[in-house]
Amino acid sequence: DIQMTQSPSSLSASVGDRVTITCRASQTISSFLNWYQQKPGKAPNLLIFAASNLQSGVPSRFSGSRSGTDFTLTISSLQPEDFATYYCQQSASTPHTFGRGTKLEIK
Amino acid sequence: QVQLVQSGAEVKKPGASVKVSCKASGYTFSSYGINWVRQAPGQGLEWVGWISVYNGDTNYAQKFQGRVTTTTDTSTSTAYMELRSLTSDDTAVYYCARDILFGRKGLDYWGQGTLVTVSS
Repeated sequence: DIQMTQSPSSLSASVGDRVTITCRASQTISSFLNWYQQKPGKAPNLLIFAASNLQSGVPSRFSGSRSGTDFTLTISSLQPEDFATYYCQQSASTPHTFGRGTKLEIK
Repeated sequence: QVQLVQSGAEVKKPGASVKVSCKASGYTFSSYGINWVRQAPGQGLEWVGWISVYNGDTNYAQKFQGRVTTTTDTSTSTAYMELRSLTSDDTAVYYCARDILFGRKGLDYWGQGTLVTVSS
């Protein structure tokens, strides 16, 4: 199975901050990497697919990038509604494994 | 609008089976796949498996092989996941989620989740 190492596991930040979350794949996955946001008690919400493609309806402050097997989710200017848990997921080969999540909290 | 509506919470005894349903609306059911993802209490997301509504092809995570079956009923636009031989480790919220191109464009719509509790 492909392992997705996500970091950090938690992060404290303030409204207006620029935040970066990283996922590293244990082997090459091309650009088959998706990012989700999950709020407590809710289903995940797709933010980015195929490493850098913004899902329809998602604010442009969210962006994704790839460098080899390293993937980054960037939030350019944190808004109050962005405090949540973020997950990466690879869809290159089954099982389509998720990272362990990054909990983004208010500083 | 696209919606996936799942069946209600279940409480099962160890060794029993559970079948969760996921009714789709607002799109052409057979044009997308359905994934099943679970989340144990306070834990992260775990991919369980996938079914092509178009041709019934399935793909399951190895840890669930032999214990899980996913099916669809195109006449009612409903997907099902059955998990057998339940243990307390199967206590989780189970989500269905739609995808196209076998997840290559992500899981873009999700059901509200179904809590399955396994307890003696």
